Amino acid sequence: QVQLQESGPGLVKPSETLSLTCAVSGYSISSGYYWGWIRQPPGKGLEWIGSIYHSGSTYYNPSLKSRVTISVDTSKNQFSLKLSSVTAADTAVYYCARPTTLVGYFDYWGQGTLVTVSS
Amino acid sequence: NFMLTQPHSVSESPGKTVTISCTGSSGSIASNYVQWYQQRPGSAPTTVIYEDNQRPSGVPDRFSGSIDSSSNSASLTISGLKTEDEADYYCQSYDSSNLVVFGGGTKLTVL
Repeated sequence: QVQLQESGPGLVKPSETLSLTCAVSGYSISSGYYWGWIRQPPGKGLEWIGSIYHSGSTYYNPSLKSRVTISVDTSKNQFSLKLSSVTAADTAVYYCARPTTLVGYFDYWGQGTLVTVSS
Repeated sequence: NFMLTQPHSVSESPGKTVTISCTGSSGSIASNYVQWYQQRPGSAPTTVIYEDNQRPSGVPDRFSGSIDSSSNSASLTISGLKTEDEADYYCQSYDSSNLVVFGGGTKLTVL
């Protein structure tokens, strides 16, 4: 059974960089698949942030592209998200998830982690 | 930018049937598969329909999906409503650049 677990600071100061990691168990990232990040501001809907292929090819939401970096570490079987120059609008629950293909559905999700941007 | 529009909320009584729509802003919604996710409060979303009308194992056949090209929309239909179906539902597809797009979500109330 594939499991994903997000980790990282729950509080980030404005203008700083948000950094999260998603640890994958039950499947080796180097074997394939895309891996993605999705966020949900409190009381609002889902927003796709971006996805990465196991080889490192990335796809980003155009509205966030200038501030987002997603990377993969196959040796640790994890992938990461960095979002720079954060503001209060970036406060959200951040989910990591696995799409079945580049244009597939997200079949496995992490439990989500709340990141609050505040001084 | 390609967008998916859903009604903000719908409500229906237990045992009845409800349909949630998801309308594409441009192009043909039939060009890419549409997925539907259920999200209960405090939990991650789970898939109830993928590839327009496919149900993952474990999802009851009360859930069904369809595409209507004439209205450029996808629909999620839940029959025999149960109180446990009360949740937020999101449609999801892709734009012409294969980038993920989510609908704004629909809150289903079963009363």
